[in-house]
Amino acid sequence: KQEVTQIPAALSVPEGENLVLNCSFTDSAIYNLQWFRQDPGKGLTSLLLIQSSQREQTSGRLNASLDKSSGRSTLYIAASQPGDSATYLCAVRNNQAGTALIFGKGTTLSVSS
Amino acid sequence: DAGVIQSPRHEVTEMGQEVTLRCKPISGHDYLFWYRQTMMRGLELLIYFNNNVPIDDSGMPEDRFSAKMPNASFSTLKIQPSEPRDSAVYFCASSFAGRETYGYTFGSGTRLTVV
Repeated sequence: KQEVTQIPAALSVPEGENLVLNCSFTDSAIYNLQWFRQDPGKGLTSLLLIQSSQREQTSGRLNASLDKSSGRSTLYIAASQPGDSATYLCAVRNNQAGTALIFGKGTTLSVSS
Repeated sequence: DAGVIQSPRHEVTEMGQEVTLRCKPISGHDYLFWYRQTMMRGLELLIYFNNNVPIDDSGMPEDRFSAKMPNASFSTLKIQPSEPRDSAVYFCASSFAGRETYGYTFGSGTRLTVV
């Protein structure tokens, strides 16, 4: 059974710092991996999706990497801003098109000005 | 497109009452998912549909929960009778298998409180 773990559970940094959020999964036979952002009391916003054949994806100050063989992904946030404060969720889809995403419990990020 | 639309946004009900949550997926999407989010357990998959047919309902916690998708543009999640431990945020999401690179789109969720 696929399990997704995110470390740390919470992170506080000063504005401007570069940071890395970690995600690990137990079954390396994944179809893709998706990073989401969730603001308090809100829904999930997709940030980046990495197909199993890809090593990384970039969007603005965000860069997500994938090492399928080791069961790991990282989300790198450059030059963090207070507006980046949110919970970041990692989710994987097993190696079958159309199957459901399995989520980690998230990392809650707080960026202070 | 207006995205995935869920209603109501908030629901407060008394224990024992029936609760119905609604979801309208993105037009053209062929997969629909219901998730539940709590502080303790995070996001858990309850059930998902492909072309309106339930594929996996192993996450539905008990017989008190039921879900239907009568057509491609509407789904319901019903809890009868509701219990305080059902209090959570319920999310609906949809995706299109032909565009795997686009991933999932989530609705804004329904916050359910059972008192």
